[in-house]
Amino acid sequence: GQNIDQPTEMTATEGAIVQINCTYQTSGFNGLFWYQQHAGEAPTFLSYNVLDGLEEKGRFSSFLSRSKGYSYLLLKELQMKDSASYLCAVRDARGKLIFGQGTELSVKP
Amino acid sequence: DADVTQTPRNRITKTGKRIMLECSQTKGHDRMYWYRQDPGLGLRLIYYSFDVKDINKGEISDGYSVSRQAQAKFSLSLESAIPNQTALYFCATSDRSPDTQYFGPGTRLTVL
Repeated sequence: GQNIDQPTEMTATEGAIVQINCTYQTSGFNGLFWYQQHAGEAPTFLSYNVLDGLEEKGRFSSFLSRSKGYSYLLLKELQMKDSASYLCAVRDARGKLIFGQGTELSVKP
Repeated sequence: DADVTQTPRNRITKTGKRIMLECSQTKGHDRMYWYRQDPGLGLRLIYYSFDVKDINKGEISDGYSVSRQAQAKFSLSLESAIPNQTALYFCATSDRSPDTQYFGPGTRLTVL
C-alpha cells in the first residue's frame, strides 16, 4: 500500500529552527516533494529531492534517505509568515504524486 | 496573469445537480490533474491526464468524470452532486521533466 506519515501539528518560535519529518512507503519512488500551503490557498512548490542528501534553498533545506524511506524539511530563522501547512509528497512509479496529510506549523512570537 | 486558473472559485449547489469545474493553464504543460482536499485527509487525486488523448483514474474517481478538451483545458464534472463531495478542489499542471506540479487557486464547492 501507499503510506506517507508526517506530524499533524508543530509549534515553533520566531527566529528558531524547525524540522518537519516525513516517512513514506510507496509502490515505486521517483522523487519527493515538499509544498507549502497557507490556509485557503493553493499549495506552492518548495523543494524536490530524488537523490540522497541535502538540498538547500535559502532558509529552507530538504533531506532525503531513500533506504530509510525518510525525508525532512528544515526551516531556519523562522518568520511569522512561515505559519502554514507543509505537505510531503512522493512521486510513485506511474508518475502520480501521493500526498501526506500535511503538518500544520504555527510560529509564535 | 495567473498561469493556472480555475472557474468558478466558489460554488454552492444542491444534491443531484450536475456541476462542472474548469481549469485552464498557460504554462504549456502536457500533464494536468484534479485533486480534492478535505480537512485531515490531505490532497487526494481524482483524475489525471498526461496528454490530450490520455485520461486516468486517481484514488477517488467514483462520482466524477473529466474531459481534456485541449492541452490547456481540463474539466471536472460531478454528474449528480452529493453532500460528501463538499470540498476544496484543486487543478494542477506539470511538465514531463522535472514534473513539478503547479496548482491553481482552488474551487470551494458546497453541496447542500
